[in-house]
Amino acid sequence: AQKITQTQPGMFVQEKEAVTLDCTYDTSDQSYGLFWYKQPSSGEMIFLIYQGSYDEQNATEGRYSLNFQKARKSANLVISASQLGDSAMYFCAMRGSNFGNEKLTFGTGTRLTIIP
Amino acid sequence: DAGITQSPRHKVTETGTPVTLRCHQTENHRYMYWYRQDPGHGLRLIHYSYGVKDTDKGEVSDGYSVSRSKTEDFLLTLESATSSQTSVYFCAISDSRQGETYEQYFGPGTRLTVT
Repeated sequence: AQKITQTQPGMFVQEKEAVTLDCTYDTSDQSYGLFWYKQPSSGEMIFLIYQGSYDEQNATEGRYSLNFQKARKSANLVISASQLGDSAMYFCAMRGSNFGNEKLTFGTGTRLTIIP
Repeated sequence: DAGITQSPRHKVTETGTPVTLRCHQTENHRYMYWYRQDPGHGLRLIHYSYGVKDTDKGEVSDGYSVSRSKTEDFLLTLESATSSQTSVYFCAISDSRQGETYEQYFGPGTRLTVT
């Protein structure tokens, strides 16, 4: 069984500051993938970034980076130079290694509010 | 944007009535999923499909059934709706190439209220 834990229900960050959203995971799979999604108030789910368990380098996508610490089973999302448009719910998710079974397990999310 | 549509986008129905939600994709992706989103729970998988007529249960499948007769359509049916099925329902699609799974793309969601 897989489990994702996001311990920060809500965060307030000053505009232009960097922010780290925490995500820890639990799995017995040797191969797995980690994802971050953004859900703005409009409701859609937007894919942000992906990290494979065998990737040696941390994933980056523009202002988003994933701080992957495999031994600690953590996959924190870092947003640099935050903007007002970053205010949203953020979900961490993982998939296991069984090909043909690509389902995701989601955490409960963190609501990020950027303060002007 | 991935070509995924959901219909209806909003629905209010009465307890005990059957309800069918439709997910349609134009991406020819192999995998399709139905999730529900409730406060404090994130997204939870209801059912998923790994091909035409190939479906399996997720973690919250009780009270739901699905069908996939074509690659592009994945239907979610509530046989007899209950108030506990009031939720926002998301459809998602994904594909895998060379053994690596790519991200899931989500539809816009359907807000279902059961009174």
